[in-house]
Amino acid sequence: EAGVAQSPRYKIIEKRQSVAFWCNPISGHATLYWYQQILGQGPKLLIQFQNNGVVDDSQLPKDRFSAERLKGVDSTLKIQPAKLEDSAVYLCASSSAGGETQYFGPGTRLLVL
Amino acid sequence: SQQGEEDPQALSIQEGENATMNCSYKTSINNLQWYRQNSGRGLVHLILIRSNEREKHSGRLRVTLDTSKKSSSLLITASRAADTASYFCATAVQAGTALIFGKGTTLSVSS
Repeated sequence: EAGVAQSPRYKIIEKRQSVAFWCNPISGHATLYWYQQILGQGPKLLIQFQNNGVVDDSQLPKDRFSAERLKGVDSTLKIQPAKLEDSAVYLCASSSAGGETQYFGPGTRLLVL
Repeated sequence: SQQGEEDPQALSIQEGENATMNCSYKTSINNLQWYRQNSGRGLVHLILIRSNEREKHSGRLRVTLDTSKKSSSLLITASRAADTASYFCATAVQAGTALIFGKGTTLSVSS
């Protein structure tokens, strides 16, 4: 079974630029999560999707971050414009509907200069 | 906000020794999970314990849960160099909801 795929693996941008990350969850997993992990900390939820609907985006900085999951499969997370404090690893995870275990992708490491 | 607090922040041991990491959390939970993260990689699920369970085993892993104290511990027996990683506890207030992670314990196992 293929795992969660993410791209790109690394991205370096200047502040105020925009950037997009892509995630392909495990086949058949209805629930998809985006987490932000700042160096030295644990992951923090940005947004949770159930199929193509948003379940929880309470911690998403909506003035600059957006995410979508069209067709309930792949998802894209965008930052526009980026700030220095957005430097972090962005992790995508998926689970079956109501599933307790989340399966994580390798993450995208973002550096904002 | 962070739910869990792992203790210690860092742990260095020799191969063959046991490693114990502790986690405390703040609110009522449905389950608690432990994940491992190797440097520069994603998180790997290790073990899950539900709020009505007190102890679970998986291979060299033993996890305990004390809901009255809102705390959990992870024991890795007979550590190996390959166990070197960061370990995170994560809690879910309901099954199928997002996980709330602690800051992690960095384990270093030297040969």
